[in-house]
Amino acid sequence: AQSVTQLGSHVSVSEGALVLLRCNYSSSVPPYLFWYVQYPNQGLQLLLKYTTGATLVKGINGFEAEFKKSETSFHLTKPSAHMSDAAEYFCAVSSANEKLTFGTGTRLTIIP
Amino acid sequence: DSGVTQTPKHLITATGQRVTLRCSPRSGDLSVYWYQQSLDQGLQFLIQYYNGEERAKGNILERFSAQQFPDLHSELNLSSLELGDSALYFCASSPRHGVYEQYFGPGTRLTVT
Repeated sequence: AQSVTQLGSHVSVSEGALVLLRCNYSSSVPPYLFWYVQYPNQGLQLLLKYTTGATLVKGINGFEAEFKKSETSFHLTKPSAHMSDAAEYFCAVSSANEKLTFGTGTRLTIIP
Repeated sequence: DSGVTQTPKHLITATGQRVTLRCSPRSGDLSVYWYQQSLDQGLQFLIQYYNGEERAKGNILERFSAQQFPDLHSELNLSSLELGDSALYFCASSPRHGVYEQYFGPGTRLTVT
């Protein structure tokens, strides 16, 4: 079975500071990893994905994530936080059976 | 806008009732997935259809059922509703089976009173 652990249900950073949201996965097969963002009262929007190839993945809105197999991690980062980044972020894992298994989410608050 | 549409946006109903949630996938997408998002369970996979056939099942209750029609839209039927069924129900679609990213609709918020 696959699983995802997101460390920190709430993260607060100052505007302009580094954003780091942590995600560790468990998978018995090569994983496919995703980060989604959910703004209040909206659906989930794909930020970025890792399937195969380059382990540093760039996504939308200046976010990126690095797949580290040795650490079973897929942490999400952004060099400089903007107020508009305030949202809930979900890490998810998938494999050949295709369903997404989500983490419990991290609520990101940006401090002006 | 992901291109996935869901109706209705909100639904309020009483315990014991039955409701139908509708999803239209992105143009050309053959796979449809249903997820439930609740405060206590988080985001959970319910069921997947591919080109009209059920492909995978997750934590879907026997009181719940789904289908995908020839035009590829999908419906999720929830019956004998309980208070605990109150949640956001999301539909997602992807182009074909295999591991591709899923595009989510805006969701249907179901409130059972």
